[in-house]
Amino acid sequence: GAVVSQHPSRVICKSGTSVKIECRSLDFQATTMFWYRQFPKQSLMLMATSNEGSKATYEQGVEKDKFLINHASLTLSTLTVTSAHPEDSSFYICSALGLATEKEYFGPGTRLTVL
Amino acid sequence: GESVGLHLPTLSVQEGDNSIINCAYSNSASDYFIWYKQESGKGPQFIIDIRSNMDKRQGQRVTVLLNKTVKHLSLQIAATQPGDSAVYFCAESYNAGKSTFGDGTTLTVKP
Repeated sequence: GAVVSQHPSRVICKSGTSVKIECRSLDFQATTMFWYRQFPKQSLMLMATSNEGSKATYEQGVEKDKFLINHASLTLSTLTVTSAHPEDSSFYICSALGLATEKEYFGPGTRLTVL
Repeated sequence: GESVGLHLPTLSVQEGDNSIINCAYSNSASDYFIWYKQESGKGPQFIIDIRSNMDKRQGQRVTVLLNKTVKHLSLQIAATQPGDSAVYFCAESYNAGKSTFGDGTTLTVKP
């Protein structure tokens, strides 16, 4: 149980395009999901907290207009990287907070490469 | 700001030996601590957790120790195996809120 999926697992795009990443909790509901970014050989850095039915809460320094988050249902949150540039290339990881367990379950990550 | 850090960035052990990975945290209000294992190209995998009302918790081959006096957390892995090779992160949170991750320790197990 407590499986989180991400789609796509890997994406390569041209500079200036937008990319959408989906995060799904497959067998549980999550009112809260988190989006992290991880650069090579670095730790996970929290970007934003995604709340079902309300606006996301962004961490300091994260541009909300560039990283659009939508948490449309209790099992799905999406992160859209708008007008992506090479410096946005990173490993994006989502997690979902289990309602019953209050534990954080992580997705497998999405590798974004912007050319 | 609050941070969680790790003492050593890398650790190399012989297969069969015990491993100890350490972590220091700075938020004295944190009440929940977690250890994660991350293999290359994958998301973090939960290993073990501990709440601040405990000082020790054991799992299968793993033990987490919490010393709130010095704000120190450690992960002990018994009989380390090659499959344990990965990056290990500690994380802390307060009141079921967002987690703050440490820098990570790379564990390499030599056969």
